[in-house]
Amino acid sequence: GDSVTQMEGPVTLSEEAFLTINCTYTATGYPSLFWYVQYPGEGLQLLLKATKADDKGSNKGFEATYRKETTSFHLEKGSVQVSDSAVYFCALRSTNTGNQFYFGTGTSLTVIP
Amino acid sequence: ETGVTQSPTHLIKTRGQQVTLRCSSQSGHNTVSWYQQALGQGPQFIFQYYREEENGRGNFPPRFSGLQFPNYSSELNVNALELDDSALYLCASREGTGGANTEAFFGQGTRLTVV
Repeated sequence: GDSVTQMEGPVTLSEEAFLTINCTYTATGYPSLFWYVQYPGEGLQLLLKATKADDKGSNKGFEATYRKETTSFHLEKGSVQVSDSAVYFCALRSTNTGNQFYFGTGTSLTVIP
Repeated sequence: ETGVTQSPTHLIKTRGQQVTLRCSSQSGHNTVSWYQQALGQGPQFIFQYYREEENGRGNFPPRFSGLQFPNYSSELNVNALELDDSALYLCASREGTGGANTEAFFGQGTRLTVV
């Protein structure tokens, strides 16, 4: 079945460091891929998405490229800020599986000044 | 603000009791999905409703049930609560006729604690 494997955390970085959070997926068909962010005590917010192979999603300095050949969707940011501290979830959705989300286990990021 | 609101925000129940959680969808969204997020885990799909009919279900027992109303608001009911039901429950709404790239909007969640 469909699934997402996400880099284990927690991750602690200094401000302005480079961020990579790895995400790989298994899916039948052609899923859309997402990154969601969750701040403490809140629900999920869409960070970025990509709907087909080689698409690059980007938002607020974060980027991720849909790589079909490696079944990956790694999240990157060139210079993190303290305000980026949150939990990040990689997810996929596919019409083959009723458009439900499959989420990874989440990666907690803490950015220190 | 996503336009999806859930109530209550926090709830404490005793094992064996029943609970009802509510979700008000974003205007115009006829599809709602419910997810359970245990502490330290990613959200797990419970079920989905489209125009008041359940049209998808995850690996959850029948004591998890739901309703969707004509105004597209919805409820999640859990009977015979168990300690492992303690989690954050999230609902997400979207337009139902779109494909897998149709954006879904999540509420802030209801934190259920079973003691």
